Amino acid sequence: GNSVTQMEGPVTLSEEAFLTINCTYTATGYPSLFWYVQYPGEGLQLLLKATKADDKGSNKGFEATYRKETTSFHLEKGSVQVSDSAVYFCALRMVSGGSNYKLTFGKGTLLTVNP
Amino acid sequence: DAGVTQSPTHLIKTRGQQVTLRCSPISGHKSVSWYQQVLGQGPQFIFQYYEKEERGRGNFPDRFSARQFPNYSSELNVNALLLGDSALYLCASSLAGTGGSRETQYFGPGTRLLVL
Repeated sequence: GNSVTQMEGPVTLSEEAFLTINCTYTATGYPSLFWYVQYPGEGLQLLLKATKADDKGSNKGFEATYRKETTSFHLEKGSVQVSDSAVYFCALRMVSGGSNYKLTFGKGTLLTVNP
Repeated sequence: DAGVTQSPTHLIKTRGQQVTLRCSPISGHKSVSWYQQVLGQGPQFIFQYYEKEERGRGNFPDRFSARQFPNYSSELNVNALLLGDSALYLCASSLAGTGGSRETQYFGPGTRLLVL
């Protein structure tokens, strides 16, 4: 079946540090890939997405590139802020091959940014 | 425009009871999906509905059921509650619930269920 593996957290950084959260996937086909963010006590917010190989999703300074050859979609940000502290989820969704277009999530990575 | 709304925000039940959770999608969205998020884990897919029809079901027991109404709102029902059903239940809406590249699922704030 399809699955997503994220780097284990928690990740603790100082403000303005560089962030990388690794994400790899296994899928029978060609999925769309997503990063969602969950702030404390809230639901999920879409951060960015990429729908085909070599696409780069970007939003709010975050970037991720869809790498088909390494089945990866690593999240990066050049300079994190305290307000980026949250749980980050990598997810995939199959574009074809069935009527069920569910999202499959990784376990999440808790990021804490200290001033 | 309002986003996805869910009610109630919090709920406490005892084992064996039944619970109904409600979701209103973004205006114009015809598909609703339900996810269960246990503390410390990623969300797990429960159901997807489109135009009042069940399109998909995750690996959950028959105690879980759902329906979608003509106005595209949805209810998730869980019978015979177990301690392990304690979780954040998330509703997501999308335009048509297909796998098309422009399709995005937007999540509500969730209902936090505690089973004692």
